[in-house]
Amino acid sequence: IAGITQAPTSQILAAGRRMTLRCTQDMRHNAMYWYRQDLGLGLRLIHYSNTAGTTGKGEVPDGYSVSRANTDDFPLTLASAVPSQTSVYFCASSRTGTGAEAFFGQGTRLTVV
Amino acid sequence: AQSVTQLGSHVSVSEGALVLLRCNYSSSVPPYLFWYVQYPNQGLQLLLKYTTGATLVKGINGFEAEFKKSETSFHLTKPSAHMSDAAEYFCAVRPLNSGYALNFGKGTSLLVTP
Repeated sequence: IAGITQAPTSQILAAGRRMTLRCTQDMRHNAMYWYRQDLGLGLRLIHYSNTAGTTGKGEVPDGYSVSRANTDDFPLTLASAVPSQTSVYFCASSRTGTGAEAFFGQGTRLTVV
Repeated sequence: AQSVTQLGSHVSVSEGALVLLRCNYSSSVPPYLFWYVQYPNQGLQLLLKYTTGATLVKGINGFEAEFKKSETSFHLTKPSAHMSDAAEYFCAVRPLNSGYALNFGKGTSLLVTP
């Protein structure tokens, strides 16, 4: 059982370049999320999707975009990377029940130089 | 949006001692509450959650947490710390009627000394 797969595991990216972080889940969860984790700040929600075809903005959406063409995939795109986007990015998914827990991928460590 | 506050960014305990990690949430309406653990270079793993019913919730690895509405708290405890408990711990809340995303606290790093 794979759960949530994120790719790449890590990446060094030149500022100004475009980058897509991939996320795939095999649990048939309707809801998916992207968080970034920064030291001392915990996890902050970037974007979310409650079901295929819909997306929403979280706490820190600027500079990021997402799409949800199907249930399984939820890619996160940085159109023009900046050093402040250096972070560890986590994709997660959950059922849409109110008590449902979120399941997390292993993360993508992104360094923008 | 509802938020959570974790008191103490770093907690150090001796092996065998009680572990107490504090979490308070900001609402008079009982939310849905979660504790997650993150080991180095890994994703987050659910320890336990409170939704409804019994206010003392037992989780994996001997951890438990008690929901106290009067104190707006959901502190995490373990009677006897193991070296393997050293990790980052996050409290999270799913606000009522606000979609399905979790709001996380800033985390508490637990150090266990021999």
